[in-house]
Order: sequence, then C-alpha cells, then structure tokens
Amino acid sequence: KNEVEQSPQNLTAQEGEFITINCSYSVGISALHWLQQHPGGGIVSLFMLSSGKKKHGRLIATINIQEKHSSLHITASHPRDSAVYICAATGNQFYFGTGTSLTVIP
Amino acid sequence: GAGVSQSPSNKVTEKGKDVELRCDPISGHTALYWYRQSLGQGLEFLIYFQGNSAPDKSGLPSDRFSAERTGGSVSTLTIQRTQQEDSAVYLCASSPVPFPGQGKNEQFFGPGTRLTVL
Repeated sequence: KNEVEQSPQNLTAQEGEFITINCSYSVGISALHWLQQHPGGGIVSLFMLSSGKKKHGRLIATINIQEKHSSLHITASHPRDSAVYICAATGNQFYFGTGTSLTVIP
Repeated sequence: GAGVSQSPSNKVTEKGKDVELRCDPISGHTALYWYRQSLGQGLEFLIYFQGNSAPDKSGLPSDRFSAERTGGSVSTLTIQRTQQEDSAVYLCASSPVPFPGQGKNEQFFGPGTRLTVL
C-alpha cells in the first residue's frame, strides 16, 4: 500500500467545471505539497501547506490533519490547466502520490 | 538566472558508461534535492543535501549512484556503469529552508535532465 494515495488517477472535464483532486496519506507529515507537471515534463510547486487552506488564483488547497486528507480544487477550469497533479507528503521521508492526469476540454 | 537550472537537458548514453548530471540551485537556497521519474512512474526521491551536513542518501537505488554538492551550491549526480533501467528524467529542486521542518520548505524544481541509456 502506498503511503500517499491520490484519486482519481485520470480526470476529464469540460472547460468551466469545478474540479477536485483528493489525496490521502497514512504517515505523519510536516507538510503536504501539491505539484503540477506540465505535458513537457516541467514541475511547478503549487502549494505547500501544513494546516487549513490556501488559495492562489483559481486554485485552492485544503488539508485536514486529523483525517490525513488533502484536496486540490480548481474553479472555472481551463484547457491550460491540463497537466498531471501530484500530491507529495514530507515527514521524515518523502512520499509521492502517483499523480492525477487532468484533461480540460474546450 | 532566477530559477533552478539543470544540464544537460538531454543525455543519451550507452549501457555501461558513466554519466554526470548537474544542478544549479537558486542562489541562497540551503537545501537541494534530487528525484527521478521513470517513464509512466511517479516521482522517486534520491538524495537530499542540507548546507554542509552529510547528505541523506536513503533514496539512492544502488551504489552506482552518488552525488556531491560543492561549496553548498552546485550539485552533481553521478551514475556509474549505467543500465537501461536508469533511463528516466532526473529532477533537481532547491528550497530556502532545511527539511523536514515547519518552515516554508517549498521546493523549486529545475527543468530536469532526460537520460536515455541505450
């Protein structure tokens, strides 16, 4: 069993839809990261959070420490949001989810 | 430059040869990480440097892999006697604060080096 589980693995949405990607982890962590990997392979760190909620533009990340669960939300999705979204938990080690491949159709 | 840079961007080598991959972190970042991503796989942690401390090598897959960081800045990942299973994208990231910690240890990723072992 992976220490970090993401769902769904693949997601297709129509432009404008509200999107949620979920991440559950089973280890103690100091922080949880959401990463975005573009089709060309480049990785961008979207959020690093250890509690509560963070918002950046149309992206919102939340974490519930007690439930060991985090969500990444995208409001008013756009085709340029198409990418792989990776959840990564950092505790005493690094743990990565396998990613969620998002495709937003115009 | 303002971001993390890596070189080369692509490297094709023959099985059994040694390769060196370079990472230039963001100036002033004390923490440096190496990861790899094999085709169709998720990210895999390899090694972590923090300042002048001994690196955390717990993720290195075999003794053919080694890394050094000179002067607390530039890092080189060396793979000796490359094998086909070493083919992957090797990513470097840097962070302004040590890991682990409650501080803002957001990582900034480089563009990666795509290694192909024939």
